[in-house]
Parts: sequence; structure tokens; C-alpha cells
Amino acid sequence: EVQLLESGGGLVQPGGSLRLSCAASGFTFTTYAMSWVRQAPGKGLEWVSSISGRGDYTYYTDSVKGRFTISRDNSKNTLYLQVGSLRAEDTAVYYCAKHDRDCSSATCQAYFDYWGQGTLVTVSS
Amino acid sequence: QPVLTQSSSASASLGSSVKLTCTLSSGHSTYIITWHQQQPGKAPRFLMRLEGSGSYNRGSGVPDRFSGSSSGADRYLTISNLQSEDEANYYCETWDSNTWVFGGGTKLTVL
Repeated sequence: EVQLLESGGGLVQPGGSLRLSCAASGFTFTTYAMSWVRQAPGKGLEWVSSISGRGDYTYYTDSVKGRFTISRDNSKNTLYLQVGSLRAEDTAVYYCAKHDRDCSSATCQAYFDYWGQGTLVTVSS
Repeated sequence: QPVLTQSSSASASLGSSVKLTCTLSSGHSTYIITWHQQQPGKAPRFLMRLEGSGSYNRGSGVPDRFSGSSSGADRYLTISNLQSEDEANYYCETWDSNTWVFGGGTKLTVL
């Protein structure tokens, strides 16, 4: 059974940083692309960032480029999102999502087929 | 980039059927989409992958009450024999040029 368990969220001041983690189990982690998707309070889903199975390709939505960094440790079956220079508009539940396949080239053609339970990041002074 | 348009709300009676629509923007009518369900207070759940041909593949454990179909740029999610637990937000999603996009979601109320 695929399981994705996020952690690391919390209350942080504007301009601050956090590292989110997603522990994965139930599948061969290194052979699938992974992503982070967020949901602001009362709003819809917004894709944030994705990474290929070996970590050699990374992708970001424009609003987080230069502030967020996605990475993975395949020896620990764990996905990370380092979030920095945080703004009030980054307040959201951050979900870890597994893709249905790896990104085998610089162009990634994969959709989300499993989701974690999410971790809440609140940016406020 | 593709844009996905969904009605903000829909409602149907317990035991009936409902058809939700997701419309792809001009120039993207052949794109594959996926449907995801988000029950109140819960994480999203993958329902199915849906092609422009109307062919679809449900996710693991998704009941066969959930089906998909397509017509031109429109992608549909039909839920038959509505149950109370089907009351949720439903999102469509697609991807292009290493970017993933979601529709705004449809809030389904089961009467």
C-alpha cells in the first residue's frame, strides 16, 4: 500500500524558512517522480514543484522559483521541500504527491496518482 | 499553458447520477486529464485518468460508480448512484511543458 506522510509544517514569520519532509513507503521510491502541491485556506489546488526519480530534473511554479528547493534522498525514501523567503501568500497545506511514472527526460509526462495527508505552513508575524 | 475550467458548484439527489464538466482551453482539446476528489477536511484522492478519446483508467479502489467520458475539449466525470460520501470538491488536472495545472474545482452537494 502506497503511503506518503508529510511533516515539518508550522508557524513561521514572514521572510523565514522551513523544511518540509515526505516519508514514502509501499513502492519503489527511486523509480517515480514526486511533487509538492499546496492549497491555501478555502482555495483550490496549486502545483508547486516536481522532481524526477533520480533527482536530476526539477521543476517549479514561477511564484516560488528562487525561494523553494525540492530534493529527495532515495536512500531514505524521503522527499523534501525547503521553503524560504516566506510570504503570507505561501500559507497553505502542502501535499506530497506521487506521480504515475518517472520523468525520463527533461520533459515530464506524468500525473499524480497518490497523495499524502498534508502539512500546514502558516506565515504570519 | 492549458487552462481548465470547471463550474463552481453542482448538486444532485442521493441515489441519482451527476455529470461534472472540465473544459480545456483552446489549442489543448486533445490533452489527457485526471480527476481528483477531495472530501471535506481530507487530502485529495486520485479518481481516474481520462483521454480525449473517452478512454479512462480508474485509480486503485475507486468504485465503478465513477466513470469518465470526453467530447471535444470537454472532459466529464459521471458519478452514478450518488452516496452521501460523494459530497466533495472535484478537481481536474493536466500537464504541459513541465507545468501542472488544476481546474478551480466543482463543489458537489448531495441532496
